[in-house]
Amino acid sequence: EAGVVQSPRYKIIEKKQPVAFWCNPISGHNTLYWYLQNLGQGPELLIRYENEEAVDDSQLPKDRFSAERLKGVDSTLKIQPAELGDSAVYLCASSSPTPTPNTGELFFGEGSRLTVL
Amino acid sequence: AQKITQTQPGMFVQEKEAVTLDCTYDTSDPSYGLFWYKQPSSGEMIFLIYQGSYDQQNATEGRYSLNFQKARKSANLVISASQLGDSAMYFCAMSLSGYSTLTFGKGTMLLVSP
Repeated sequence: EAGVVQSPRYKIIEKKQPVAFWCNPISGHNTLYWYLQNLGQGPELLIRYENEEAVDDSQLPKDRFSAERLKGVDSTLKIQPAELGDSAVYLCASSSPTPTPNTGELFFGEGSRLTVL
Repeated sequence: AQKITQTQPGMFVQEKEAVTLDCTYDTSDPSYGLFWYKQPSSGEMIFLIYQGSYDQQNATEGRYSLNFQKARKSANLVISASQLGDSAMYFCAMSLSGYSTLTFGKGTMLLVSP
């Protein structure tokens, strides 16, 4: 079974340029997450989707960040314009439907490392 | 709001020895889950072990065990017989009842020496 696939793995851009990251979750996982991981820190949630609905985007900086999951499968995270402080790893994760946290394991992709110059 | 605290920025252990990585949590929700993930230098997050708040016994998965002390709100990870490949960042995380989102701690860097 294929895992969570993210692309690109690495991206270097100049500030004020746009950038987009793509994520394809594990087949059958209806919950998809985008996390931000700064250097030396733990991941922090940006947005969570249940199918195509964004159910938690309270931590997403909406002035420059946007995300979509149009058909409830793969997802795109966009930053426009990028700032120096956006340099980080953007992790995508997915989980299978579960009514409790008992089996709420998240499966992560390898991440997209962004460097803004 | 829930919070995870990992107070050890780094830990050193010799190969074949056991090591304990500390994690404390804070939540008023009686139903929650606690997770440990490993992140090697390659970047992927690897699930290690899970403990539910109502589980009576401490979770174990091979060389990993979770020392769950509910009254102290601690969920320490114990790695027995450390191996060189265990060198990585380790994150403690929590999810609340009805929500699958994980809240992570800042992590502990484990270095295993020969």
